[in-house]
Amino acid sequence: GNSVTQMEGPVTLSEEAFLTINCTYTATGYPSLFWYVQYPGEGLQLLLKATKADDKGSNKGFEATYRKETTSFHLEKGSVQVSDSAVYFCALRVQGAQKLVFGQGTRLTINP
Amino acid sequence: DVKVTQSSRYLVKRTGEKVFLECVQDMDHENMFWYRQDPGLGLRLIYFSYDVKMKEKGDIPEGYSVSREKKERFSLILESASTNQTSMYLCASSLVNWRNTEAFFGQGTRLTVV
Repeated sequence: GNSVTQMEGPVTLSEEAFLTINCTYTATGYPSLFWYVQYPGEGLQLLLKATKADDKGSNKGFEATYRKETTSFHLEKGSVQVSDSAVYFCALRVQGAQKLVFGQGTRLTINP
Repeated sequence: DVKVTQSSRYLVKRTGEKVFLECVQDMDHENMFWYRQDPGLGLRLIYFSYDVKMKEKGDIPEGYSVSREKKERFSLILESASTNQTSMYLCASSLVNWRNTEAFFGQGTRLTVV
C-alpha cells in the first residue's frame, strides 16, 4: 500500500541552526508530495509541494526536492527561527486517488 | 481567502452521547475529508466524500458515520461516543484534480469524551 515514513521526533534545535526532517515514501505510480505544518492549536497549512520527480518545492525559507530514485522528500531550512516551532507532516497523493496519506508528524522546537 | 470552518474548537461529551461535528467549505471543492489526529499516529482518514450524498470509508471508520447533503457541508457523526474517541478531528477539502492541488484544512475540533 501507499505509506509515508518521517524521522521520529521530537527535534530540538537552537535558533539559526540548519534543519533537516527526513521523509521517505512508498507509492504506486508517481505521487504528488506535500509538506504541511501545524502550529500550536491550529489546523494544518500547506508549506510546500512537488508534483513530479526533481521538482523542488519552496516556501518561507523551507525547501524539499522530489527524489524518485530514493523515494524521498526531505524538508530543509538553512536557518531556523523560534517561530518555526510546530509539527511538520509529510504527505502524498497518488494518481487517481482523492485522499492524502500522511506520515506520523515530527514535532520541532526551536530554542532562542 | 479560502476557508474550511469547523463548528467547534473544543467539545466535551459524555460516553454514549450522539455527537455531531460540522464542517463547511467555501471553495466549491468536490472532495471533503474527516481525519483523526493522535500523538505518534499522525493523521488517519475516517471517511471522505467526493460528491453530494457520496461517501467512502477511510482507514478507521468504525464507530463513525458521515453525512453530505450539500456540497459545502460535511458532517461527522459519532453514534455513541466512547472514551477512545477522544481526539483531535480535522476536516479538509480539495478539488478532484489530483496532480496540482492540495487539501485545505479546518482549525480542528478537540473532542473529549468523559
